[in-house]
Amino acid sequence: GNSVTQMEGPVTLSEEAFLTINCTYTATGYPSLFWYVQYPGEGLQLLLKATKADDKGSNKGFEATYRKETTSFHLEKGSVQVSDSAVYFCALSDRGTSYDKVIFGPGTSLSVIP
Amino acid sequence: SQTIHQWPATLVQPVGSPLSLECTVEGTSNPNLYWYRQAAGRGLQLLFYSVGIGQISSEVPQNLSASRPQDRQFILSSKKLLLSDSGFYLCAWRYGGASTDTQYFGPGTRLTVL
Repeated sequence: GNSVTQMEGPVTLSEEAFLTINCTYTATGYPSLFWYVQYPGEGLQLLLKATKADDKGSNKGFEATYRKETTSFHLEKGSVQVSDSAVYFCALSDRGTSYDKVIFGPGTSLSVIP
Repeated sequence: SQTIHQWPATLVQPVGSPLSLECTVEGTSNPNLYWYRQAAGRGLQLLFYSVGIGQISSEVPQNLSASRPQDRQFILSSKKLLLSDSGFYLCAWRYGGASTDTQYFGPGTRLTVL
């Protein structure tokens, strides 16, 4: 079946460091791919998405490119801030079903220290 | 614009007591609705989803149940809570149909069963 694998962390970085959180997926069709962010004590917020191969999603300085050849959707940011401390979830949408079940990775906890 | 509400925000309940969590969506009609649970330090587990009034599908058999009495209202219930029911419960919605597959999350309910 479809699945999402991501590095679980925790990841600790200094402010202004470069961030990469790896995400790979398994899917039989052509899923949409997402990154969600969860700040402490809150629900999930959509950070960015990509719907087809080679699409690049971007938001708030974060980027991820849909790589079909490597089945990956790695999240990157050039310079992290303390306010980026959160849990990041990679996810895919299993289109082809009536309810479009979204499959989430386990989440990666990021801590950014001043 | 669309908004999603969940209440209560936090809840502490004794083992064996009943549970009712409510989720409502504003600004859209006929949404797909979802209930997820997030155990401490863990990823998301899909519990129930609904594509219409009175239509509930369960992903995980357990002592929880869900109902959708109105188009934009989704309720999670239990007759007798277990310790293992503790967690962060998230409601999410998506536009009905296949036009888009992005899910939008509510702020969550933190449930502690003692």
